[in-house]
Amino acid sequence: GQQLNQSPQSMFIQEGEDVSMNCTSSSIFNTWLWYKQEPGEGPVLLIALYKAGELTSNGRLTAQFGITRKDSFLNISASIPSDVGIYFCAGQTAGANSKLTFGKGITLSVRP
Amino acid sequence: EPEVTQTPSHQVTQMGQEVILRCVPISNHLYFYWYRQILGQKVEFLVSFYNNEISEKSEIFDDQFSVERPDGSNFTLKIRSTKLEDSAMYFCASNRDGNSPLHFGNGTRLTVT
Repeated sequence: GQQLNQSPQSMFIQEGEDVSMNCTSSSIFNTWLWYKQEPGEGPVLLIALYKAGELTSNGRLTAQFGITRKDSFLNISASIPSDVGIYFCAGQTAGANSKLTFGKGITLSVRP
Repeated sequence: EPEVTQTPSHQVTQMGQEVILRCVPISNHLYFYWYRQILGQKVEFLVSFYNNEISEKSEIFDDQFSVERPDGSNFTLKIRSTKLEDSAMYFCASNRDGNSPLHFGNGTRLTVT
């Protein structure tokens, strides 16, 4: 089946630092999504990527969809304590009611 | 901003009992989904639903599971006879046209004892 690979499982950074997270897949996806999950809450959409090579920003977040549609990265600049959480990448296939396939997520910790 | 709401936030039940998890998707969304997240693991697809019928379901969604849209606003997941391994967070999600990004609720934590 389709799988998305995220590593490492955890990342620890200092407040103010930039951080980059990668996600790779053996399958091609039509849309690539980045979600953040905080304790006790559901995944919250951060950025959606629709075109190969697309670079999209949302505040301090920047994400790019790889040319092959099999990978993506998410950058967080000037991290702050509230960036703490689990960051999931998810691939969405084409077609109506297309489901999402999630990566295992990266737990980000930010030291003040 | 409209959001997906789920109730209850936490449900404890005994093995073998039936549970119904409830969701109110975003009002102008037409496609609905249930996902599951076992503690510490990734979010897994269970089922998608459109036009009052199941569009796709995963291997996890066996005969013990069912979904229903009983009225114009609610979308429910029923587990007929719960097992210990059904303990997980269950997330409802919806999207407008099936291709747009999914919006998730805050989940129901199901604990089967």
